[in-house]
Amino acid sequence: GESVGLHLPTLSVQEGDNSIINCAYSNSASDYFIWYKQESGKGPQFIIDIRSNMDKRQGQRVTVLLNKTVKHLSLQIAATQPGDSAVYFCAEILNGGATNKLIFGTGTLLAVQP
Amino acid sequence: DVKVTQSSRYLVKRTGEKVFLECVQDMDHENMFWYRQDPGLGLRLIYFSYDVKMKEKGDIPEGYSVSREKKERFSLILESASTNQTSMYLCASSLPGRPQFFGPGTRLTVL
Repeated sequence: GESVGLHLPTLSVQEGDNSIINCAYSNSASDYFIWYKQESGKGPQFIIDIRSNMDKRQGQRVTVLLNKTVKHLSLQIAATQPGDSAVYFCAEILNGGATNKLIFGTGTLLAVQP
Repeated sequence: DVKVTQSSRYLVKRTGEKVFLECVQDMDHENMFWYRQDPGLGLRLIYFSYDVKMKEKGDIPEGYSVSREKKERFSLILESASTNQTSMYLCASSLPGRPQFFGPGTRLTVL
C-alpha cells in the first residue's frame, strides 16, 4: 500500500549524527504541543510533549524546543539510529481543552543512512 | 502501557456494504477519536467522543457515523462504503489535557 511518507519533506542523516526536525505551528493560542513518530504501517507513537509555559523539555535521546515568538517547534534526536527512521509529526492543541482536539503538522520523513 | 486496539489490520469491502471498525482502549480514557490518514493529506479527524454516548463531528464526518455505548469502546460506521473511503483508519484515546495514544490502524480497501 501507499506509504504515509509520500509527498513529505525528507531529512536524511547518517547513523550516529544528531537530527533536528522542525515544525511551524499555526495558532498563537495553542498551549500544548506533542511530537509523534510513525513507522511504516503503524499508528503514530507518542514521543514527547511540551506546554507553552516551557521552552525546552528533554527525554531519552530527544529534546523538544519551543519558540513561541515565531511559532516554531523542533525535535532534536541525539545519536540517530536506524530504528529512528520514520515520519515525525508535530501536533498542537488549542487552549488545552478537555476534548483534546489535535491539529497535526504535515510531517517530516527521517531517513537514517547506515 | 496504554493499549489501543483496533479490530482489524486489513479489511476489504465492496461498494455499498456497511462497515464497522471497532476500537478498544484499556486505560479508562474519557476521550476517543477516529481519524483517517491519506498520503498528501495527513491525519484528518472524522469524529470524537469525550464521554459515553457523547459524540462530536470532526473535520470530515460525511459518510461516517460513530457509536460509544461503553467507555472503552468507540466504533466507526460506514453506512454505505464508497471507493473514496479507501484509507488508513486510526483510532486514538486520551485523558483530558493529555496526549492522544493511537492504535495500530486499519487499512480499509473498498472495491
